[in-house]
Formats: sequence, structure tokens, C-alpha cells
Amino acid sequence: DARVTQTPRDKVTEMGQEVTMRCQPILGHNTVFWYRQTMMQGLELLAYFRNRAPLDDSGMPKDRFSAEMPDATLATLKIQPSEPRDSAVYFCASGGETQYFGPGTRLLVL
Amino acid sequence: GESVGLHLPTLSVQEGDNSIINCAYSNSASDYFIWYKQESGKGPQFIIDIRSNMDKRQGQRVTVLLNKTVKHLSLQIAATQPGDSAVYFCAEGYALNFGKGTSLLVTP
Repeated sequence: DARVTQTPRDKVTEMGQEVTMRCQPILGHNTVFWYRQTMMQGLELLAYFRNRAPLDDSGMPKDRFSAEMPDATLATLKIQPSEPRDSAVYFCASGGETQYFGPGTRLLVL
Repeated sequence: GESVGLHLPTLSVQEGDNSIINCAYSNSASDYFIWYKQESGKGPQFIIDIRSNMDKRQGQRVTVLLNKTVKHLSLQIAATQPGDSAVYFCAEGYALNFGKGTSLLVTP
């Protein structure tokens, strides 16, 4: 049963620290998405890649967030420096027309 | 811009009753729609989809209806169970905007 995996599942950090979230998409899926979910804003797209190339990262604060796909089996989302307002659940998804979501990384920035 | 949105943010139904969750879309060129279910602490999961050449599709206890004339989707859940309690999102294929979803609460 192929699944999207994300690590870590939970992260607590202090303001100013670097946070790195990792995602392993389902093998064979060529599109990878990063979302952020909060109660206030719902599920928001941060960035997405197709065939490892970034297609749209307009939802991401460019000064502190960066997303990469070093290879087809790994996508990363980094926040540096982190701020309390970044506290949210971050989801990775892979697929195409239909998206398959990972379990999320719950981030708390103190 | 084009968007997919939900009519009601919350819905409370009694166990055993049927549930209907509604969704409006604005892009008349959309040809593929998906319903996702997000349980507490988990990521959204695919439930059922429908293409624009259909107006109804049935799954196990779930039915999606598509009305292209008024650009409206609905998800019907038959004999709602406590395990159906979740947030439901409708989305277009290659969806990039999910919004806040509709919260379904099933009461005993």
C-alpha cells in the first residue's frame, strides 16, 4: 500500500531556529505539493513541483521558506528563521489530478 | 479568480441519517472534481471523484452529484456513521485551493 511519508511528525522549536521537513512521495508520482493548514486559513498551497522542477511557489514567504526536491524520492521544506506565526500543520502530497496526502508535520514555534 | 468553495462550514447530523455536503465552483471549464475526507490528526484522503461528462457517481455509501448548469457539487453520505465525522473538501483536479472545508459531526 503506497503512501506519502513525512518526517518529523511533530516538531517544537524556538523562534529563530531552522526547521526542515521531509517528504517521500509515492514512487512514480511526478507532482509533489506542499500545503500548510491552520484553523484560520484552512489548507493553503505553499509550493509544488513537477518532475522535480518548481512550478509555483507563490504561496510561500520567500524570505524564510524554501522548498526543494534533491531527487525523485525526497522533497524538503525549510524555514529559516522560524517564527511563531509559522506554527501549523504542514502537508506534503503527491500525485496528479488526484492528490495523495502524507500524515503531516505538526510544527510549533515558541 | 477561479475558486472552489463550500456553502456551509459545519454540519451536524444524527447517526443513521443521510448527510449532504454542498460545494460551489466557479470555473465552468473544470472537468474533474474530487471529494476528500480529513479525519482528525490525518491528512486529507480521496473519497470519490467525478468527471464532467457524468452527473452522478456512486461509491460505497457515498454519492457525488454534479450540476454543471449551476456549477454545484454535492456529496451524499448514506446512513452516516460516527466514523464519517471529519472535514470534507471538494476540489477540482490539479486542485491548488482547498479552503477550510466543511466539518461534519455525527451525533449518536
